[in-house]
Amino acid sequence: EPEVTQTPSHQVTQMGQEVILRCVPISNHLYFYWYRQILGQKVEFLVSFYNNEISEKSEIFDDQFSVERPDGSNFTLKIRSTKLEDSAMYFCASSERLYGYTFGSGTRLTVV
Amino acid sequence: GIQVEQSPPDLILQEGANSTLRCNFSDSVNNLQWFHQNPWGQLINLFYIPSGTKQNGRLSATTVATERYSLLYISSSQTTDSGVYFCAVEVWNFNKFYFGSGTKLNVKP
Repeated sequence: EPEVTQTPSHQVTQMGQEVILRCVPISNHLYFYWYRQILGQKVEFLVSFYNNEISEKSEIFDDQFSVERPDGSNFTLKIRSTKLEDSAMYFCASSERLYGYTFGSGTRLTVV
Repeated sequence: GIQVEQSPPDLILQEGANSTLRCNFSDSVNNLQWFHQNPWGQLINLFYIPSGTKQNGRLSATTVATERYSLLYISSSQTTDSGVYFCAVEVWNFNKFYFGSGTKLNVKP
């Protein structure tokens, strides 16, 4: 069964540093997403991406965040100047809109 | 946005017992999925079920879209079923999932 691949699985970063979280969506999917889950809380929507542009973003997704599809296979989330409260599990997902979403295994980001 | 409520919030079962988890949502949806979050934090897709009934081994799910709820049945539970079960819904043209708060299941040997 096709998978969404996320790297790294765990990243520790110093407060104020920039991090890039990477995702390889399922190859024939056209819609890509990032979600976040702070420890013990529900999964929250960050951003959706279609046709090389952001189609929707939440109020969490401010200027600190950006997304990019640098080539035909990767989809990245960049977090600039990380804060302690950015510590969370970040999930990438992809979809072709007919059969639901497939989520990756997540990247656990710890900001120290 | 749409409200997604899951019940119960916590559930403790003895191995071998059956359980029913419920997901209520406040608006019409075009997509509903059930996920199991394992102890490592991974979200495992269980069912894509915007309507109707599906079964996969010991798990089955039913969504009654007209009444805005979905049920996840776990039969003959095993300790490996422990974790958090999330329901997530997508409203037509909103292009994003709304997650419930989850049901935390603990299956004891």
